[in-house]
Amino acid sequence: KAGVTQTPRYLIKTRGQQVTLSCSPISGHRSVSWYQQTPGQGLQFLFEYFSETQRNKGNFPGRFSGRQFSNSRSEMNVSTLELGDSALYLCASSLGNPGQGTDTQYFGPGTRLTVL
Amino acid sequence: AQSVTQLDSQVPVFEEAPVELRCNYSSSVSVYLFWYVQYPNQGLQLLLKYLSGSTLVKGINGFEAEFNKSQTSFHLRKPSVHISDTAEYFCAVSDAGGSYIPTFGRGTSLIVHP
Repeated sequence: KAGVTQTPRYLIKTRGQQVTLSCSPISGHRSVSWYQQTPGQGLQFLFEYFSETQRNKGNFPGRFSGRQFSNSRSEMNVSTLELGDSALYLCASSLGNPGQGTDTQYFGPGTRLTVL
Repeated sequence: AQSVTQLDSQVPVFEEAPVELRCNYSSSVSVYLFWYVQYPNQGLQLLLKYLSGSTLVKGINGFEAEFNKSQTSFHLRKPSVHISDTAEYFCAVSDAGGSYIPTFGRGTSLIVHP
């Protein structure tokens, strides 16, 4: 089975621009979560999508948004980029069963975003 | 709200020596606990998880962890490390009874020397 794939792997943007990152989950997985990883803040939960609906949301400003398509692929968008948005953005997929906290999450390799 | 403290930011150890990576958590509710490993330029991989039942949890690559509720700890151990175990290790906690949003520790860098 193919793992979680994220595109692009590396991205360079300038302040004020917007960016869209893509995540393709493992086949059969219906839940996709996004995380931001920075040296300063560590790993922080952004949001989780299940069956095209946002099921959970972390504490990030509205500039961060996401969506999930009917095939479970997900995108996240960051508008009006700031220098502090430079980070590794990780996507993770899971089956998304009820009792969701017990699911094993499978992570992609991440997208490295650099904002200049 | 939950929090996770990984007490050591870096742990150097020689190959074939035992290692323990420490993790303490704070929560007012029942929790699920996880250990992940991250190799350079890769995403996270689950090593093991505690959901309920036996407090000693065995994971992949020879790792194990023990859940200690009274000390609110979930330390990760391996009896004999290899060079290939050099990586970043993250402890995480989530609320067992409510919204599943994991809180991660800041990570421990395990450096295995030959």
